[in-house]
This record gives sequence, C-alpha cells and structure tokens, in this order.
Amino acid sequence: EVQLLESGGGLVQPGGSLRLSCVVSGLTFNSYAMGWVRQAPGKGLEWVSGISPGGSTTDYADSVKGRFTVSRDNSKNTLYLQMNSLRAEDTAVYYCAKDASGPDYWGQGTLVTVSS
Amino acid sequence: DLVMTQSPLSLPVTLGQPASISCRSSQSLVHRDGNTYLNWFQQRPGQSPRRLIYKVSKRDSGVPDRFSGSGSGTDFTLKISRVEAEDVGVYYCMQGTHWPGTFGQGTKVEIK
Repeated sequence: EVQLLESGGGLVQPGGSLRLSCVVSGLTFNSYAMGWVRQAPGKGLEWVSGISPGGSTTDYADSVKGRFTVSRDNSKNTLYLQMNSLRAEDTAVYYCAKDASGPDYWGQGTLVTVSS
Repeated sequence: DLVMTQSPLSLPVTLGQPASISCRSSQSLVHRDGNTYLNWFQQRPGQSPRRLIYKVSKRDSGVPDRFSGSGSGTDFTLKISRVEAEDVGVYYCMQGTHWPGTFGQGTKVEIK
C-alpha cells in the first residue's frame, strides 16, 4: 500500500521558517517526480513546487519562488519543503503528492499557520 | 503564465442526471513527448484530493465508469453520466504538461 505521511506543520510568526517532511512508503521513491500542493482555508488547490526523481530539477510557483526550497533524500524515501520568510498568505494545508504531472497519491496534509 | 479556467464554478444537479464541467487552458497542453497531461481530481469535504482522470481520458483504478474525460489541445471536459450522492464535492482540472502544474479554480458539485 502506498502511503505519504507529512509532518512539520504548525504555527509560525510572519518572517519565520518551517521545514515540512513527507515520508513515502510502498513504492520505488527514486523513480518518481514529487511535489507539494497547498490549499488555503476555504480555497482551491495551488501547486507549490515539484522535484525530479533524482532531485536535479526543481520548479516553484511564482508565489513562493526565492523563499521555498524543495529537496529529497532518496535513501530515506523522504521529500522536504524548506519554507523561509513566511507570510500570512502562506497559511494553508500542505499536501505531499506523487507524480508531478498528475498526482495519483496524496498525503493527508499538514497545516501551516502563519500568524503573530 | 498558464491559466486553467473552469466553468461553471457551481453546479447544482439532480440525482441521476448528467453533469458536465469545462476546463480551458491558456496554452496547448500537448507535451513534447506527445502526451497531454490533463487531469481531473475530486475533493470531498475534509478529504485529500483524489485523481479520477489522467492524460485527458484515462480513468484511474476504482473510479466508477460514470466518470469520463474528453478533449484536446486547450479544451477539456469532465462528464458524470448519472450523478450519485457520493459525487458531491469540488472538482479540479490540473495540467501537468508545463512545470509547475496549474489547477483550475474548482467546481463545486452539489445536489439540488
């Protein structure tokens, strides 16, 4: 059974940092591009970032470019999202997703709240 | 920037009746590898999104055959042949051809 389990969300002040993790099991992790998708409260889905299977290629939504960094450790089957200079508008549930071209597996999400 | 536009944004339907959602892209979604990475997702209240359709018309395992996808280039459609109560939720189209991916605004399907 494929499982994606996010962690690392929480309450952070504006300007602060947070690192999200996503542990993946049940598949050959290093064979798939992965990504992060977020959903602000009561809003739609927004693609945040994607990373190639080997980690050499990454991309970001304009809204997070220069502030967020995606990475992966294929030896640990883990995807990361380093979020710096957080803003109130980054408040959302962050989902880890497999296959950046059309995610067929999603995690349960982790809530990030940016507030003073 | 690539924009995905869905219509309608709200879709009240009668049980047993058909429903249709349109999704238009501001650019062609044909990838250089010849595939068109247009997906449809269902999100029920309080749940993570679930992929229903990938590559325009391929149905995911376990998805009822009342769901179908069609289209090409920049215009795509999700159809539900006969709406059931469990189909209530928000439906999103998403393109994966051009990184990063882009979602439509979502269409809320509810029962009349």
